[in-house]
Formats: sequence, C-alpha cells, structure tokens
Amino acid sequence: DTEVTQTPKHLVMGMTNKKSLKCEQHMGHRAMYWYKQKAKKPPELMFVYSYEKLSINESVPSRFSPECPNSSLLNLHLHALQPEDSALYLCASSQGFSTGNLATNEKLFFGSGTQLSVL
Amino acid sequence: AQSVAQPEDQVNVAEGNPLTVKCTYSVSGNPYLFWYVQYPNRGLQFLLKYITGDNLVKGSYGFEAEFNKSQTSFHLKKPSALVSDSALYFCAVRDIDNYGQNFVFGPGTRLSVLP
Repeated sequence: DTEVTQTPKHLVMGMTNKKSLKCEQHMGHRAMYWYKQKAKKPPELMFVYSYEKLSINESVPSRFSPECPNSSLLNLHLHALQPEDSALYLCASSQGFSTGNLATNEKLFFGSGTQLSVL
Repeated sequence: AQSVAQPEDQVNVAEGNPLTVKCTYSVSGNPYLFWYVQYPNRGLQFLLKYITGDNLVKGSYGFEAEFNKSQTSFHLKKPSALVSDSALYFCAVRDIDNYGQNFVFGPGTRLSVLP
C-alpha cells in the first residue's frame, strides 16, 4: 500500500462551523505533513509531525489545529475559518528521520487533497 | 535559505516533440532536488530526485532531469511529449533547516502538450 488517503475530498463550511480533515497512511512512515495550496500556486507548508510530535508549525493561525493520534493518522481541525482559507489542503508523508540526521533521499507521498470552500 | 525558481509559467509543446521544463536553484550546501507533477484536483506525484552521483537522473513516465552545478540548474526533460503529460510541474529543494523536514517548492510550470 503506497497511498495516502484523505477525507473528505470536498468540504463546504460556514465561518462558524467546526470540521475536521483526515489523513491516513499505512506505509510505516513516521513523518506527516499538512500543506495548503491555492489555485495555480505551489503548496505551502503548514505543519510537520515527526514520530507523532509536532515539529514544525509555520505560524499557522490557531483556527487550524493539527492532531496526530498515532503514526498512521493525521487530522486537521478547523474552526471559525475565513473565506480566504478556501484552498486545497494536502496531506503528505515520508519515511521519517532520526533526530539530528538528514534523510536526504526521502520523497513525499501526497494524498489527493481536500478541496475546502469557506462561505 | 533554499529556493528554487521556475522561469516559465507556461510551456507549450507539440505531441511527439521533446520537452524541457526549467528549474534553477539557490542553496547553501549540497542541493537535494526533486520534481513533482500535479494533475487537476490531485495531489503531487513524485517524478525523480537528485541527491548525488550521475548528473542525468531518470524518473517515472519517461522523464529525466539534468543536474548542472555550474549553472545551478535542474531542468526536467522528456524526449517525446504525450498529451497526457499536460499538467502542473513543480521543482522542489529539500530545506536543510529543521533537519530537512520541509520541501521548498518552485512556483510551478504549466505544461500543455498539443495534439
């Protein structure tokens, strides 16, 4: 299994709603990522989890709350979003890296994304 | 800081002709370079990577890339383009800060292969 599965594929929510995006992989990867991608733009890193611990938060607003319940699952909890948060949210995973070592040959495996529209 | 540039927003090529999608990089230290492709409403798919070794790297779907240290370039190439190659292509560099936990993506180049 070399897939990263994201649900839902599409999500429409109001600014007062609470929703969650889910991501799952069964490749034994220990690093998982959330990216945000606007149309025709490159992905922008939001969060990185390494061995289930949050290792990078790219100054993301607190209305986005990540969670990594175990090594296979990654959630992104959404609350009080703004219309400008509408985007494709991509989950990715990679093998992972030991502290202090750079696993330079790693590649990212991406899910198909959740297309989020905030009304 | 690591960065990559893709000087062309759009590349058009006729089916059967060779294609090139350009990428230049700026890194401190050794470059770890990647190419990804994105089809509409999909995630990114890995094509190939350069870490060390031969300057010509072969990847998926018949793509290859040439690493040129003196020109700080990593151009993506394919000898004969297919209509199905039409997609958005991203060059990326591994960010050595934060123990390399991030990839820095270029702005993307839209490839259109015309029948």
